[in-house]
Amino acid sequence: AQSVTQLGSHVSVSEGALVLLRCNYSSSVPPYLFWYVQYPNQGLQLLLKYTSAATLVKGINGFEAEFKKSETSFHLTKPSAHMSDAAEYFCAVNMNSGYSTLTFGKGTMLLVSP
Amino acid sequence: EAGVAQSPRYKIIEKRQSVAFWCNPISGHATLYWYQQILGQGPKLLIQFQNNGVVDDSQLPKDRFSAERLKGVDSTLKIQPAKLEDSAVYLCASSLEGTRGNEQFFGPGTRLTVL
Repeated sequence: AQSVTQLGSHVSVSEGALVLLRCNYSSSVPPYLFWYVQYPNQGLQLLLKYTSAATLVKGINGFEAEFKKSETSFHLTKPSAHMSDAAEYFCAVNMNSGYSTLTFGKGTMLLVSP
Repeated sequence: EAGVAQSPRYKIIEKRQSVAFWCNPISGHATLYWYQQILGQGPKLLIQFQNNGVVDDSQLPKDRFSAERLKGVDSTLKIQPAKLEDSAVYLCASSLEGTRGNEQFFGPGTRLTVL
């Protein structure tokens, strides 16, 4: 079975500080990994995805994530937080070689203070 | 390009009543997904359609939930009868294809409250 663990249900940072959201996965096959963002009362929006090419993936809004096989991790980072980054972030894994089925983590709420 | 449309946005019902949700995917997207997102959790896939055929419904509680995608375009998800634990946001998503790595585009969701 596939699973995703997101460490920390809430992360608080100050505006301008580094953002680090953690994601670990368990997988018996090479995974495809995704980060989605969800703003209040909206659907999920794709930030970035890893599909077995470059291990450092750059996404929208200045976010990036690095796939580390040895650590089974895919942590999301942003050098400098903006107030507009406040939202819930979900890590997801696809390990089905045939289909696009995703398993999501429980999410991490990012709080940004002035 | 229009996004994924869902209606209604909010629904409040009593337990044991029935309810239906509607989804219209992005034009040309062959794959459609229904997810259940309970408060404090990530979305959980209920059912995945490829055109009008079911690809995966392993987590759909088939004794009370049903879904259809007639003509391979829009879709409805029904709950009958509803239970308290069905209170959640129901998200619809679509992707161009159902193959691995395809980006899923999400609608705004329907928030269901069962009293």
